[in-house]
Amino acid sequence: AQRVTQPEKLLSVFKGAPVELKCNYSYSGSPELFWYVQYSRQRLQLLLRHISRESIKGFTADLNKGETSFHLKKPFAQEEDSAMYYCGLLGGGYNKLIFGAGTRLAVHP
Amino acid sequence: GAGVSQSPSNKVTEKGKDVELRCDPISGHTALYWYRQSLGQGLEFLIYFQGNSAPDKSGLPSDRFSAERTGGSVSTLTIQRTQQEDSAVYLCASSSTGTRSYEQYFGPGTRLTVT
Repeated sequence: AQRVTQPEKLLSVFKGAPVELKCNYSYSGSPELFWYVQYSRQRLQLLLRHISRESIKGFTADLNKGETSFHLKKPFAQEEDSAMYYCGLLGGGYNKLIFGAGTRLAVHP
Repeated sequence: GAGVSQSPSNKVTEKGKDVELRCDPISGHTALYWYRQSLGQGLEFLIYFQGNSAPDKSGLPSDRFSAERTGGSVSTLTIQRTQQEDSAVYLCASSSTGTRSYEQYFGPGTRLTVT
């Protein structure tokens, strides 16, 4: 079965500290994984996708097929990073995104 | 251009009543999705429309839920005989075909409260 697991509901850090939001997936095929972010009072939006291997707002995520993980990392958290983060997996039908439960990141001054 | 829009933004209804939630996707987007966002439950896939193909209804939680997409554009999600557990934010998203078809653009959501 296709599944995305985000084990942490809340991650609380201080400004300048490193951040790692965990995401593990279960998928029998070749996965395509994404991170979506929802800032307060804003729409859910794409943050980054694994195939582009890009860094957005200082965030990176590496697909580890051996560990079936796609953790989101940032070396120095900023207060404006506070938001809800969702890990997503392209599942059946190719366009169907399956999301994890989300992790709320709170960055304190 | 305009993004995905949804109406109403908020809906309060009594248990047992039917509700209709509307989604206007981005013009030209052939794929349309409905998700439900519940506290502590994350984002739950409900239904997916792609062009003229039969919709993927695999995420609908019960037969009280149904959705239509007319003319390949506007979609309506209908919940019949609403229950308190239906209270959630209902999100609509759309995407285009092509290499970036996986980037879904989300609407602001409709917050449904069943009393």
